[in-house]
Amino acid sequence: QQQVKQSPQSLIVQKGGISIINCAYENTAFDYFPWYQQFPGKGPALLIAIRPDVSEKKEGRFTISFNKSAKQFSLHIMDSQPGDSATYFCAASMINQGAQKLVFGQGTRLTINP
Amino acid sequence: SAVISQKPSRDICQRGTSLTIQCQVDSQVTMMFWYRQQPGQSLTLIATANQGSEATYESGFVIDKFPISRPNLTFSTLTVSNMSPEDSSIYLCSGTVLTEAFFGQGTRLTVV
Repeated sequence: QQQVKQSPQSLIVQKGGISIINCAYENTAFDYFPWYQQFPGKGPALLIAIRPDVSEKKEGRFTISFNKSAKQFSLHIMDSQPGDSATYFCAASMINQGAQKLVFGQGTRLTINP
Repeated sequence: SAVISQKPSRDICQRGTSLTIQCQVDSQVTMMFWYRQQPGQSLTLIATANQGSEATYESGFVIDKFPISRPNLTFSTLTVSNMSPEDSSIYLCSGTVLTEAFFGQGTRLTVV
């Protein structure tokens, strides 16, 4: 119940295309869903996050879509650029229960071809 | 926001020895955590570092193997004890400010 399942494991997109990464969870107590971006040799960095009271959140080229009934959320990267090539992790936590520890998905290695 | 500094950034250690990893945050954070990440893999939570008290460990991780200290709000250490090659991994410190978690750059540990 604590798992967050992420797909695909790897993704190759042409420059200017849309990158889409999907995640699913089981525990309905999760109430905070962030996406992290990690470059080689670096720690993960928060990209964008959403709470379950909204269905979509957009920040620049990055959009989270959230489907509470399906217990799924996804990251869309519009106009993908070579600099977006990195590993992306979805995560979930239970903020309202005071548990800020994150459960991470398996990660998606994104490659943007120029 | 918070900037998290970890040291060492990498180390190669002999099996049977111990390594202590330090984590310093530039501002007060609500909570601090330690994660382990195998290269190319996801992050697995080891424990929550509690200020002034014993850490809270996740299933599969024990205090004797991974003793953790957090003497104040901005500093924590993780010790990997009696190391074996299976402990070779990246260890990451994290601190939260409100809902946002910040990560150090990680410590890449190789046990030979």
